[in-house]
Amino acid sequence: VIWMTQSPSLLSASTGDRVTISCRMSQGISSYLAWYQQKPGKAPELLIYAASTLQSGVPSRFSGSGSGTDFTLTISCLQSEDFATYYCQQYYSFPRTFGQGTKVEIK
Amino acid sequence: QVQLQESGPGLVKPSETLSLTCTVSGGSVSSGSYYWSWIRQPPGKGLEWIGYIYYSGSTNYNPSLKSRVTISVDTSKNQFSLKLSSVTAADTAVYYCAREAVAKGYMDVWGKGTTVTVSS
Repeated sequence: VIWMTQSPSLLSASTGDRVTISCRMSQGISSYLAWYQQKPGKAPELLIYAASTLQSGVPSRFSGSGSGTDFTLTISCLQSEDFATYYCQQYYSFPRTFGQGTKVEIK
Repeated sequence: QVQLQESGPGLVKPSETLSLTCTVSGGSVSSGSYYWSWIRQPPGKGLEWIGYIYYSGSTNYNPSLKSRVTISVDTSKNQFSLKLSSVTAADTAVYYCAREAVAKGYMDVWGKGTTVTVSS
């Protein structure tokens, strides 16, 4: 099983801030990583796959980078609708596993 | 636009079997391009992948749940289903169905989720 460590667990930020979320793997996964956004009471939504490819319809202020064991999700200019919880997910091997989540809250 | 909708009992007694169905609209479970997945999220916690099924009936389960999980597909009803046996309070969660493209690995379409509580 590939374990994932997301950091920070909680991130306090203001509208307009640039924020970065980290996801570290217990072993290398090449670029087989996705990022999801989840708002309270809603299902997760796919933001990024293949570590850096933006899903159709996702704003360009979201970006992903990394390969191997270290990955980053960046929101370049935080908007009010971006306050949510973000999860990384690896699909290099089974079982699919998710990070524990990073909640982005209003500062 | 493909949509997924979970349905099933919201309350299950301990030791019994949890049964949920996901109905696919705007697309077909018989498409050879997708796996049909189940993921769950305990209250206030993160996401756990349960497993998936291909239209042919081929399955892949999370080893942590494999002994208790059965995922099946009904192409005539355009549905797929989850059964989880011998449930305990630890199985209380929001259960999501989702679509995963073959040879991709990420879930690009999700249902809204259904809450299942295990309690006597």
